[in-house]
Amino acid sequence: GESVGLHLPTLSVQEGDNSIINCAYSNSASDYFIWYKQESGKGPQFIIDIRSNMDKRQGQRVTVLLNKTVKHLSLQIAATQPGDSAVYFCAEKMGNNNDMRFGAGTRLTVKP
Amino acid sequence: DTEVTQTPKHLVMGMTNKKSLKCEQHMGHRAMYWYKQKAKKPPELMFVYSYEKLSINESVPSRFSPECPNSSLLNLHLHALQPEDSALYLCASSQALNRPQPQHFGDGTRLSIL
Repeated sequence: GESVGLHLPTLSVQEGDNSIINCAYSNSASDYFIWYKQESGKGPQFIIDIRSNMDKRQGQRVTVLLNKTVKHLSLQIAATQPGDSAVYFCAEKMGNNNDMRFGAGTRLTVKP
Repeated sequence: DTEVTQTPKHLVMGMTNKKSLKCEQHMGHRAMYWYKQKAKKPPELMFVYSYEKLSINESVPSRFSPECPNSSLLNLHLHALQPEDSALYLCASSQALNRPQPQHFGDGTRLSIL
């Protein structure tokens, strides 16, 4: 069936570098996407979202890019900090009920 | 601190016990969700409530019984669980179901079945 997935299960970066976390989706009808950050022992925390009528959205130190042609979503984190270490999930809205399906997740480790 | 509060944070129970997980939000959200998350896996949707009515049941076994007594509270009643039900149970809420918007998560209840 259609699902959301991630290219890289783990990512290790140096503090201060930029991070890019990728996500592939296969449901061409999905019109809303979210990136969540989950730290150990905590629930997922909303980072940024994007609707399918946009291809880029920026937040504080984060940017989400959406390429509908190849069904690809990415999260860019600028000047990555140790506090950014966590598992990052992309999620897509599956239907009309705000039903979100999560991708497999990428563990980001920031080395000091 | 999260605006969605879940209790208890940890729960250990035997397979014959009956227990309940609780979730509370005071953001005025009218949609509430239960997810199950196994270690190193993404959250998986179990139930969705909209305006206190069950909207989605993702074919969850009947040993899990959700309840939404009012717009701020969501319960998950547990009975005769199996060891494979050990997981982190997450509650989330959003303003409504009829438009795309982020869900706000609690920190979960870590459930262990002996």
